[in-house]
Amino acid sequence: AQKVTQAQTEISVVEKEDVTLDCVYETRDTTYYLFWYKQPPSGELVFLIRRNSFDEQNEISGRYSWNFQKSTSSFNFTITASQVVDSAVYFCALSARILGTYKYIFGTGTRLKVLA
Amino acid sequence: DVKVTQSSRYLVKRTGEKVFLECVQDMDHENMFWYRQDPGLGLRLIYFSYDVKMKEKGDIPEGYSVSREKKERFSLILESASTNQTSMYLCASSSLFAGDSPRRVYEQYFGPGTRLTVT
Repeated sequence: AQKVTQAQTEISVVEKEDVTLDCVYETRDTTYYLFWYKQPPSGELVFLIRRNSFDEQNEISGRYSWNFQKSTSSFNFTITASQVVDSAVYFCALSARILGTYKYIFGTGTRLKVLA
Repeated sequence: DVKVTQSSRYLVKRTGEKVFLECVQDMDHENMFWYRQDPGLGLRLIYFSYDVKMKEKGDIPEGYSVSREKKERFSLILESASTNQTSMYLCASSSLFAGDSPRRVYEQYFGPGTRLTVT
């Protein structure tokens, strides 16, 4: 079965704290893709990062970093020195082959509240 | 700048009405998707289309149909709206999947969403 679990429903931090959003996935495919999206209060999901299963290198983009570990089937997202503008719902997603075609499976999202 | 637009941000309809939700993308993407988003359930796929006039059922297609007559436009139709279809509807598009190529599954681009209320 293909599945994405975001166990943290809601996280609250104070501005400038670091925060990690967890994502655990399940798939039997050896070729798959992982994504993170941000959904601010305006509602539109914004793409943040894509990773394929062949590339376990961690990535850093400004205050954002991603830790991909195949051994634990996790793709965690860390925000360093959080800001109020980081307040949003964050979705982790998996794309793997289901019945011959790739489909996207989303987690239930983690709501991040950054307090000033 | 990539763009996916949806015809309405907010919509209120009565039970039994036929409802059309329109989505247009300007990125020449082959794939288009309709999701509904409900609290605690994340995004659930209703239908998707990988080419003009092609469609495939997602996880929750019951009560919905779709139409894709042009590459840039993907419509979601609620034949007879019911209160349990009150939700946020999100449209997305992405570049083509290449079934056997490990490097060609791309990210999705989303529209702003339509919050539909059925009374």
